[in-house]
Amino acid sequence: DSGVTQTPKHLITATGQRVTLRCSPRSGDLSVYWYQQSLDQGLQFLIQYYNGEERAKGNILERFSAQQFPDLHSELNLSSLELGDSALYFCASSVRQGSYNEQFFGPGTRLTVL
Amino acid sequence: GENVEQHPSTLSVQEGDSAVIKCTYSDSASNYFPWYKQELGKRPQLIIDIRSNVGEKKDQRIAVTLNKTAKHFSLHITETQPEDSAVYFCAASIFGGETSGSRLTFGEGTQLTVNP
Repeated sequence: DSGVTQTPKHLITATGQRVTLRCSPRSGDLSVYWYQQSLDQGLQFLIQYYNGEERAKGNILERFSAQQFPDLHSELNLSSLELGDSALYFCASSVRQGSYNEQFFGPGTRLTVL
Repeated sequence: GENVEQHPSTLSVQEGDSAVIKCTYSDSASNYFPWYKQELGKRPQLIIDIRSNVGEKKDQRIAVTLNKTAKHFSLHITETQPEDSAVYFCAASIFGGETSGSRLTFGEGTQLTVNP
């Protein structure tokens, strides 16, 4: 157990719908990262937040958005869902945001879009 | 942006043999190179990492080497065991500064199978 929690574990929804994935970082960690893992794309970095503010941004679609709240938990919002959005979504956290900080991954949320 | 290539995509070895996985990266600004192990349906877990100012690091049966000039780094697992079977990902990290944050760019993964 990494100390990072994610809810829900599984999510099944239909195309065109909107979902919210939730992540709670390890106690004391200020930085949160979101990754998408699909079969043909591997692990793709989406976005990073540090102490409530957006920092680094990867190839995150405009239909996706995220935020980090004052209690440091984070939410990833996915809207106008398409079949290709089906994937495992991981959240990770680290103490700070520099390169040398180990990122601890949560158990992931498996999203299935039908 | 950073690009990380990983080879081979699959690797099958006999128990007790060594396994080597290689990665190359494109951005010379990358300065941290972690390796993650992911079992089926589970989260990635860090197994070893190396900073750009170090050429080699070892932890029991696992070692990582880094060649900054050639921009490649490798994972070495000795005396492999069936429980080493998993997908291994290399990654490279760039820290853009306090306002730009950091990101991990992952390789495509190597499915390692250790046959008893």
